[in-house]
Amino acid sequence: GQQLNQSPQSMFIQEGEDVSMNCTSSSIFNTWLWYKQDPGEGPVLLIALYKAGELTSNGRLTAQFGITRKDSFLNISASIPSDVGIYFCAGRGNAGGTSYGKLTFGQGTILTVHP
Amino acid sequence: DVKVTQSSRYLVKRTGEKVFLECVQDMDHENMFWYRQDPGLGLRLIYFSYDVKMKEKGDIPEGYSVSREKKERFSLILESASTNQTSMYLCASSSPQGGAIYFGEGSWLTVV
Repeated sequence: GQQLNQSPQSMFIQEGEDVSMNCTSSSIFNTWLWYKQDPGEGPVLLIALYKAGELTSNGRLTAQFGITRKDSFLNISASIPSDVGIYFCAGRGNAGGTSYGKLTFGQGTILTVHP
Repeated sequence: DVKVTQSSRYLVKRTGEKVFLECVQDMDHENMFWYRQDPGLGLRLIYFSYDVKMKEKGDIPEGYSVSREKKERFSLILESASTNQTSMYLCASSSPQGGAIYFGEGSWLTVV
C-alpha cells in the first residue's frame, strides 16, 4: 500500500522562527493537502495542491507540490503561539475507476511554539 | 465556507448499546467519510459513501455500519458498542472531482 512519511515528528521553536516540515511518499500522488489540528478538534484544511511544482501561500503558510509528485513541504514563517498544534499532510493517488481516490495521511508533526 | 457538522461532540455509552453518530454537510458534496483517530494510529477510514444509498468499506469497517439516505447526511452506527470503540470519530466530505476533504469538529465517544 501507499506509504507516507512525515517529518519531523515534533518541533519546539521560539516565537518568530520559521518552520519547515515535509512529507514523502512511496508512490505518486495527484493531490497534496495540508491540515492543522488543535487539541480536541477536527483537522482544518490549510492548503490544497493539485499540480506538480505548484507553490501556494495562505498568509504565513507556504506549501509546495514536489515535481516528482512524491513529496510536499509546508513552511510557516514568523511563527506565533497560536500556530501550536498538529500538522498533517495527506495525499491522494489515482481514483481508478471510481470518483474517489483514497486519502493517505502522514503521521503528523507536533509543533510547540515558546513565547 | 464548507461546514461539516457532527451532532454530538461528547458521548458516553455503555457496552452493548447501539450508538448513532450523525453528520451533515452543507456543500452539496457527493463524497462523505467516517474516520476514527487514535493516538499512535493516526486517522483510519471506517466507511465512505460516494452517493446517496451507496457505501463502501474503508480500512476498519468491522463493528460499524453506515447510512446515507440523503445527500447531506451520513450516519455512523455502532450496533453493539464495545470498549475498544472508544475513540474520536471524524466525519468528512468532498466533491467527486478529487478535491480537498473537509472535516467536522469530531465526536469523542467513550464506551464504558
